[in-house]
Amino acid sequence: EAGVTQSPTHLIKTRGQQATLRCSPISGHTSVYWYQQALGLGLQFLLWYDEGEERNRGNFPPRFSGRQFPNYSSELNVNALELEDSALYLCASSPRWAGVEQFFGPGTRLTVL
Amino acid sequence: QKEVEQNSGPLSVPEGAIASLNCTYSDRGSQSFFWYRQYSGKSPELIMFIYSNGDKEDGRFTAQLNKASQYVSLLIRDSQPSDSATYLCAVNTRNAGNNRKLIWGLGTSLAVNP
Repeated sequence: EAGVTQSPTHLIKTRGQQATLRCSPISGHTSVYWYQQALGLGLQFLLWYDEGEERNRGNFPPRFSGRQFPNYSSELNVNALELEDSALYLCASSPRWAGVEQFFGPGTRLTVL
Repeated sequence: QKEVEQNSGPLSVPEGAIASLNCTYSDRGSQSFFWYRQYSGKSPELIMFIYSNGDKEDGRFTAQLNKASQYVSLLIRDSQPSDSATYLCAVNTRNAGNNRKLIWGLGTSLAVNP
């Protein structure tokens, strides 16, 4: 069974640009979670999507947004990039209902210059 | 008080010893508890989960849960250098809308010395 996949692996942008990150969950999983992990720091919860709807978001400004498609894949968009947005962005998926174990993809390393 | 707390470490143990990693949580209604391992630059991978009070063993790993004390731990027996990583504790808790979500600790860094 294929795991969670993310693309691209690495992304380099400059300040003010927009970044789009993609995630495909494990087959059968309807929930997708996005996390930011800056170097040396813990997981910071960004967004949770289930059945195409945003269910919860963390303490991040509105320039962090996303969506979930009918096939349960998801996109994370970051507008007006700032230097401090440089981080590893992790996507995880789980079966329906939050709180069950989450399975992570390999991550997208975003570098903002 | 943080919802899920872990000692940041680093916890240093010699090869072959038992490593003990601890996690406390604040929501008494929490129902499930997870331990993840994260190697530097990699994504977290699930090691174990536990729902009931007591011990749960899987190979060299044992998770221990004490809901009365709001405490969950992970023991790693016969520690190997390959166990050197950051260990993340995650707790299934309720948010303001009474929906359950995972709350993450900041992780404990473990170093196993040959």
